[in-house]
Amino acid sequence: DSGVTQTPKHLITATGQRVTLRCSPRSGDLSVYWYQQSLDQGLQFLIQYYNGEERAKGNILERFSAQQFPDLHSELNLSSLELGDSALYFCASSVSPATNEKLFFGSGTQLSVL
Amino acid sequence: AQKVTQAQTEISVVEKEDVTLDCVYETRDTTYYLFWYKQPPSGELVFLIRRNSFDEQNEISGRYSWNFQKSTSSFNFTITASQVVDSAVYFCALSEDYGGSQGNLIFGKGTKLSVKP
Repeated sequence: DSGVTQTPKHLITATGQRVTLRCSPRSGDLSVYWYQQSLDQGLQFLIQYYNGEERAKGNILERFSAQQFPDLHSELNLSSLELGDSALYFCASSVSPATNEKLFFGSGTQLSVL
Repeated sequence: AQKVTQAQTEISVVEKEDVTLDCVYETRDTTYYLFWYKQPPSGELVFLIRRNSFDEQNEISGRYSWNFQKSTSSFNFTITASQVVDSAVYFCALSEDYGGSQGNLIFGKGTKLSVKP
C-alpha cells in the first residue's frame, strides 16, 4: 500500500459529461501529480501541484483542470468528456517537487466514457 | 526531445530463468534521474529504483540488478531466477527538470513480463 488514496476506483459515464477524480496524498507529502495511462499514449504526465500551487503542466487538455486544496488533497476535473478520454488516471505524491524524488502512486481511477 | 524507449513489448520466461529488460533514453540534460517502476496486475505503480546521471555504479537488490551505461544511454534491469510473482509490466522513466522540479516523469511504453511456472 503506497499510502496514496484515489476515489472512485471505477467510473462509467457518457460523452459530454463532467467527472471529478479525487486523490489524497501520503501523509506528509506536499506534491501531487496526475498521470493518464491509455493503451495508445501510455503513461502521460498531466499536471503537478506543490503545497496548493500549480508547479508544472504536461499534456493536459483545456477541458481538464485540477486543484490542490489546503488539506493537500487534489481533484482532477474532466469535462465535456469524449470517448478518447477513457483511461486509467493515476495520482502520485512525493515529499517535495525535486527532480530526484520518487513518486508514490495510487491504485488509479479507471474512467470509461460510453 | 527527451524520450524513453523500451523496445521489448512482451517477454515470457519460465520460472528460474534470468531476464533482462532493456531501456534506452534520450536527453540533453547533463543532470537527470532514471527510474524503474513495476505495475503488477493489481494496477498500482510501485517504485523500484532511482539512479542519477552521475552515478554509473551498478546496483543489486536481491534478485534485481540494474546496469546504467551513459555511453550507450541505457539503464537495463535484470531479474535473476525469475518467479511467478515477478509477472508485471515494468516501466523505465526519465525525470525531466522543470527548473529543479520533477514535473514531467517521462515513461517508456513498458515491458510486460510473464513468468510461467
